[in-house]
Amino acid sequence: AQKVTQAQTEISVVEKEDVTLDCVYETRDTTYYLFWYKQPPSGELVFLIRRNSFDEQNEISGRYSWNFQKSTSSFNFTITASQVVDSAVYFCALSEANSGYSTLTFGKGTMLLVSP
Amino acid sequence: GAGVSQSPSNKVTEKGKDVELRCDPISGHTALYWYRQSLGQGLEFLIYFQGNSAPDKSGLPSDRFSAERTGGSVSTLTIQRTQQEDSAVYLCASSVRDRPSYEQYFGPGTRLTVT
Repeated sequence: AQKVTQAQTEISVVEKEDVTLDCVYETRDTTYYLFWYKQPPSGELVFLIRRNSFDEQNEISGRYSWNFQKSTSSFNFTITASQVVDSAVYFCALSEANSGYSTLTFGKGTMLLVSP
Repeated sequence: GAGVSQSPSNKVTEKGKDVELRCDPISGHTALYWYRQSLGQGLEFLIYFQGNSAPDKSGLPSDRFSAERTGGSVSTLTIQRTQQEDSAVYLCASSVRDRPSYEQYFGPGTRLTVT
């Protein structure tokens, strides 16, 4: 069965620091999709990125970057020069192409606190 | 455009009462999902609908939980004889299609408190 592990429960940084959120996944499928979502204090989950299992190219979007490594089953998320507005809970999630389900399996989330 | 909307935003009910939670997906999205978020369990899948097909109910925790989707759009999640362990935030999401590759867009959730 699929599983997503976010070992960091809470991370505290000071503004402008770089921070990396870890995500490790388990799946038996060869085709799968990985996602990151942000949940700010308002509560609404916001989609950040999707990565296909057959595309290991890293991606950068502004201050955000993602490092996907199939060899270690990891999909880590780095925020460069963090800002107070980055404070939120971040969830990593997985869906499998061959399971017959399109539902997401989420990690427990990492709470990021950025102080001024 | 308009995102996923849910109502009510907060619901307090007494143990044993029935509650109905509503979700309006993004227009044109054929797939709709319900999840539950609680402190101890994180985010759990409950049920999903794809168009007019029979729903996948594999995540429903008990037979007190049911859901319907009318006209392929609005969905209602019903919890009968509520228990204190049902207290959680219930999140609805929709996606363009029921495919693992499509991202899901979430509503703001309904916070349910059972006293």
